[in-house]
Amino acid sequence: EDKVVQSPLSLVVHEGDTVTLNCSYEVTNFRSLLWYKQEKKAPTFLFMLTSSGIEKKSGRLSSILDKKELFSILNITATQTGDSAIYLCAVRGSARQLTFGSGTQLTVLP
Amino acid sequence: DADVTQTPRNRITKTGKRIMLECSQTKGHDRMYWYRQDPGLGLRLIYYSFDVKDINKGEISDGYSVSRQAQAKFSLSLESAIPNQTALYFCATSDLEGLAGQGETQYFGPGTRLLVL
Repeated sequence: EDKVVQSPLSLVVHEGDTVTLNCSYEVTNFRSLLWYKQEKKAPTFLFMLTSSGIEKKSGRLSSILDKKELFSILNITATQTGDSAIYLCAVRGSARQLTFGSGTQLTVLP
Repeated sequence: DADVTQTPRNRITKTGKRIMLECSQTKGHDRMYWYRQDPGLGLRLIYYSFDVKDINKGEISDGYSVSRQAQAKFSLSLESAIPNQTALYFCATSDLEGLAGQGETQYFGPGTRLLVL
């Protein structure tokens, strides 16, 4: 059974801080790992990491994939209050669907 | 217009009632999914469909059924609603990406908030 574990479950920081969110996984025949940001409504897509793309960056957000150690991290630098959200990690292996972690609740205080 | 729409957006019902949640998409994707989200449990897959004739149970399908009426429509039914089905329900669609189909981005609807009394 595929498994995705995210840590920490919740995190409170102040604006300007840098945060690192963790995602570890156990999947059969890893194919891709996705990061989503969820505010009050539906999740929005951030990054997809595959064997051919193990590091992604977009503005203050970046993510890396370590296929050997079976984890990914999502980094957010110079955090802003608008970064407050639940961050979800999902992995696709040989199973036909994505497996989601339980998410990390990030709160950025002014 | 939104690519993935869900109706209703909010619903209050009583124990034992049958209800249907509907999802439509204009992205032309073959794959569609129903998830429920509960605090501290993340997104859990209820059912998924890889095309109109291919419907599969997810990890928590008991008490739910689905219908894929067309490529663009995927409905979720609660045959006899119970209070522990109170949750936020999301529909999502996706297509495989990459030459080997190794990637997948899912696009979510806005969600349906369901309260079962």
